[in-house]
Amino acid sequence: DTGVSQDPRHKITKRGQNVTFRCDPISEHNRLYWYRQTLGQGPEFLTYFQNEAQLEKSRLLSDRFSAERPKGSFSTLEIQRTEQGDSAMYLCASSSRLAGGYFTDTQYFGPGTRLTVL
Amino acid sequence: QKEVEQNSGPLSVPEGAIASLNCTYSDRVSQSFFWYRQYSGKSPELIMSIYSNGDKEDGRFTAQLNKASQYVSLLIRDSQPSDSATYLCAVDTGRRALTFGSGTRLQVQP
Repeated sequence: DTGVSQDPRHKITKRGQNVTFRCDPISEHNRLYWYRQTLGQGPEFLTYFQNEAQLEKSRLLSDRFSAERPKGSFSTLEIQRTEQGDSAMYLCASSSRLAGGYFTDTQYFGPGTRLTVL
Repeated sequence: QKEVEQNSGPLSVPEGAIASLNCTYSDRVSQSFFWYRQYSGKSPELIMSIYSNGDKEDGRFTAQLNKASQYVSLLIRDSQPSDSATYLCAVDTGRRALTFGSGTRLQVQP
């Protein structure tokens, strides 16, 4: 088990460009989450997948943001027409409900993708 | 009022002391509580989870939960300089998404 991986780790782009990030969850984890974190703040929820279904989207996720998880494995997060306010760390987490377990999952985070919009 | 509140710190403790980190939450239906550690420039790393009132111990770490007071804390015994990091409190209200506090920065002085 290699943990959650994210690619790229760093991305510098110019305002107005599109960017796409990839997340590979822990194998066999059926739930995948995207968060955004800015300096001095905790992560803020963006969206959540169970298998390939996108079950929840935050109001933070504007129309310029789209996320997919086509085969229930890896996920992509695309930001169109980037703005300077999109500069942040984009974190992916995955989880799997424990057998016989609790009413929530434990989420494990990947290393993040740091986006800088110039 | 923020949903999850933490003192931003920094909390400074000498090496070997007990560090006490506190968190309050506003949503009474919150079911699960997590503490993550985050080193500068890195992603959050899970330390503890707690679901029931009382204490839960794991090595040098003890999480405490009081649902009546809507309060969760993390104690770190025998603090080490390597414990210096930001500690994030996260709450699950049953929506799957975690709601995080802004974190408390801990500094352990050698």
